[in-house]
Amino acid sequence: GAVVSQHPSRVICKSGTSVKIECRSLDFQATTMFWYRQFPKQSLMLMATSNEGSKATYEQGVEKDKFLINHASLTLSTLTVTSAHPEDSSFYICSARLGGSADTQYFGPGTRLTVL
Amino acid sequence: DAKTTQPPSMDCAEGRAANLPCNHSTISGNEYVYWYRQIHSQGPQYIIHGLKNNETNEMASLIITEDRKSSTLILPHATLRDTAVYYCIVRPAGSYGKLTFGQGTILTVHP
Repeated sequence: GAVVSQHPSRVICKSGTSVKIECRSLDFQATTMFWYRQFPKQSLMLMATSNEGSKATYEQGVEKDKFLINHASLTLSTLTVTSAHPEDSSFYICSARLGGSADTQYFGPGTRLTVL
Repeated sequence: DAKTTQPPSMDCAEGRAANLPCNHSTISGNEYVYWYRQIHSQGPQYIIHGLKNNETNEMASLIITEDRKSSTLILPHATLRDTAVYYCIVRPAGSYGKLTFGQGTILTVHP
């Protein structure tokens, strides 16, 4: 149980275009999902917290107008990278929070974004 | 935030137990210790978590010291597929599940 999927797994786009990444919790409902970014040889950095039915909370230094997050249902959150540039090339990973006392997060397989 | 300290790298022979240490000396009483691992180019995989007591599941065992200032993740019979970066994370209370990843320990299992 506790499976999280992401789509697409890999995307290549031209500079200036927008890219949407989907994150789905397949076998549980998640009121909260998280978006992380990971550059080569670095650790995961939290970008934002996505709450179902409300606005996302962004970490300091993350541009909310550039990284649009929508969490319209209990099983789906989307991240849209708007007007992507080469410096946005990274590995984007989502996670979904399975509630309860331990409050464990389960991660998706990640999306490799390359902006040319 | 309670921070964790892990060795940057460790080696282990295939079939032997891998013992990965983690120090979290500033942990608060209601904070859990989580372990995740990340195999190259994949999302992190949940391994185990604990609060006070030792825990065991099909993947690993977690030993937490009585003062909760450190813990050890034990992979009882390491395989080549266990080669990964292992992250020890303490979740801050009241943070709605936010996880802060450090640099982790690169575990290399060799034949």
